[in-house]
Amino acid sequence: DTGVSQDPRHKITKRGQNVTFRCDPISEHNRLYWYRQTLGQGPEFLTYFQNEAQLEKSRLLSDRFSAERPKGSFSTLEIQRTEQGDSAMYLCASSNYRGRAPGANVLTFGAGSRLTVL
Amino acid sequence: AQKITQTQPGMFVQEKEAVTLDCTYDTSDQSYGLFWYKQPSSGEMIFLIYQGSYDEQNATEGRYSLNFQKARKSANLVISASQLGDSAMYFCAMRENPARRAQKLVFGQGTRLTINP
Repeated sequence: DTGVSQDPRHKITKRGQNVTFRCDPISEHNRLYWYRQTLGQGPEFLTYFQNEAQLEKSRLLSDRFSAERPKGSFSTLEIQRTEQGDSAMYLCASSNYRGRAPGANVLTFGAGSRLTVL
Repeated sequence: AQKITQTQPGMFVQEKEAVTLDCTYDTSDQSYGLFWYKQPSSGEMIFLIYQGSYDEQNATEGRYSLNFQKARKSANLVISASQLGDSAMYFCAMRENPARRAQKLVFGQGTRLTINP
C-alpha cells in the first residue's frame, strides 16, 4: 500500500478559474477527510466522507467548494471561481473507522495539494 | 468548543538532547483523544503518538512519549535523543467525543523544531 495520494501536488491558477484536486485514500479505509492548511497554521477541517456519503461539512466550505467521493473510493475537491484567499495547502486523510474508540481511527494524511491563486 | 494551544512557535535543540513540545487543550468532554503529528517540509502529516483520555499510563512510541496531565489539560510531547531528521513542524491535535459521528481532529498552530548538529 502506497499510502494516501494527492494530485496535483502544486497548482497555480488565476483568480476566477476553477480547480480540482484528487485524493486516493488507502484502499481499505472507509473514511476520507479534507483539511485546509494556511501558512503558519494547523490544518482546519473542511469535510468528510464515510464510504460515498458526505456526512459533515465545515462552515469554512463555502458554496464555491464541492467535494465528491463516487463509489466510496477516490475523492475530488473542486473550487469554483477561485479567490486569493483560497491559497492554501489542501490535505486529504483517510482512516479505517471501526466504531467509537478514538484510538481506532488514526488519520493517515497525504502530502497535500498546494494551491496558489494569483 | 474545543481548543488546542501550542505556545512555542519555534524550538532550537542540540542533536542528541531531549526536547519537550508543549500542548494544552480545552474541552468539556470526558472522553477524547490526543494526537501528535509531525510535518516535514515535504508537507505530509506523519502520525507519531496517541493518548486516550481514559488511558492511565502515558503513551510511548520509540523515542516519543506523551506527558499527559489530565488535571492540567496538558499533553506534552517528549522526544528523547533528538536527531537531525526530527527537524519539522509538530502539531498537537484532539479528537472530540467518540459519540460524535465525525471524529474529526482539531489542530493547534504547531511548533517548528530545529535540531542543530
